[in-house]
Amino acid sequence: EAAVTQSPRNKVTVTGGNVTLSCRQTNSHNYMYWYRQDTGHGLRLIHYSYGAGNLQIGDVPDGYKATRTTQEDFFLLLELASPSQTSLYFCASSGGTEVFFGKGTRLTVV
Amino acid sequence: QQQVRQSPQSLTVWEGETAILNCSYEDSTFNYFPWYQQFPGEGPALLISISSVSDKKEDGRFTIFFNKREKKLSLHITDSQPGDSATYFCAASGNSGTYQRFGTGTKLQVVP
Repeated sequence: EAAVTQSPRNKVTVTGGNVTLSCRQTNSHNYMYWYRQDTGHGLRLIHYSYGAGNLQIGDVPDGYKATRTTQEDFFLLLELASPSQTSLYFCASSGGTEVFFGKGTRLTVV
Repeated sequence: QQQVRQSPQSLTVWEGETAILNCSYEDSTFNYFPWYQQFPGEGPALLISISSVSDKKEDGRFTIFFNKREKKLSLHITDSQPGDSATYFCAASGNSGTYQRFGTGTKLQVVP
């Protein structure tokens, strides 16, 4: 079964702090995604990538950077965290039409 | 703006009833429509999907009805069970290489 592993699972940071969320997939999928999930908004795409070194902008990219270092690893960076970035973040991968999600990282910015 | 819309936001049905979850979309280039099921503490997981060349897709108790002309689809869950209690997301995408856009979700509660 496809596997997407996120770390950490929970994170609390202060306003203005730096945060890195990590994701690793062992599916050999080309595509990887970062979504945020918020009540009333569903899942919104932040950034995605179709291979190592590639980065594409999603629908809500402001305040976020991402980097795909290898086929397996995709990172989401918040360099100046703000309370509006408090959310549940999901990493996902796909090799076709089905998208496989990790268990999520709950980020709180205080 | 929200390109994929879902209603209702929440739905409660009795065990054994049919739950109907609705979805609509804006972009006429969308041609693939998956539904994902999400339990608390988990990521969404693919439940069932349909392409725009079909008007119905059935998998056990789960059926998608698709109306291309009206840009609407619905997920019917027959003989609902308490284990079906979850949040359901409708998604849509176009040709290969484009990403899936998700709706706002419907939280379903099935009462025994």
